[in-house]
Amino acid sequence: GAGVSQSPSNKVTEKGKDVELRCDPISGHTALYWYRQSLGQGLEFLIYFQGNSAPDKSGLPSDRFSAERTGGSVSTLTIQRTQQEDSAVYLCASSYSMLYEQYFGPGTRLTVT
Amino acid sequence: AQSVTQPDIHITVSEGASLELRCNYSYGATPYLFWYVQSPGQGLQLLLKYFSGDTLVQGIKGFEAEFKRSQSSFNLRKPSVHWSDAAEYFCAVGTRAGNQFYFGTGTSLTVIP
Repeated sequence: GAGVSQSPSNKVTEKGKDVELRCDPISGHTALYWYRQSLGQGLEFLIYFQGNSAPDKSGLPSDRFSAERTGGSVSTLTIQRTQQEDSAVYLCASSYSMLYEQYFGPGTRLTVT
Repeated sequence: AQSVTQPDIHITVSEGASLELRCNYSYGATPYLFWYVQSPGQGLQLLLKYFSGDTLVQGIKGFEAEFKRSQSSFNLRKPSVHWSDAAEYFCAVGTRAGNQFYFGTGTSLTVIP
């Protein structure tokens, strides 16, 4: 079946604008994760969903970041008032359940100018 | 605080030589441990994982890793490297609750003929 898809693949935005990043997980996967990968850095864990619920939002870098998941499927990561330091590749992963293998999407490369 | 350290930023090996990539973690309890590989232009792929039981785990592509509790390490090994193994390798720790994942900053592997 299809893997994890993310859109857009690339996004260039001006500082101060809001952006929405989308993740379509593998069908049937109840767990969904968002990560950020900056140049020369490892993956920074942002948030995970079990179903539509995100029990712990403490990994989000600031209150400009928010995420939601609807219908136990698609998730969106929203960044308000983007800053240059938000430039990174945002990766989404899904798994059958927590602690099962995570399948990663190709990522969205965000550039804030 | 939980953390993952990959002390080698970049490693170069000759094709056919053995390989060991180091990973040390800091976590208060027995963690779940993972190794992922990210090939150029590809998404992250799980190589192997340790949850419990035998401390030597076998993965895909001929890789193995050994969990050493006394050293807080989970080093990745391969007896004979192939040119196609050139990639970025990430070690990761997951909490037992499955609600947090911590990735190292990665080790870039170059394979020379």
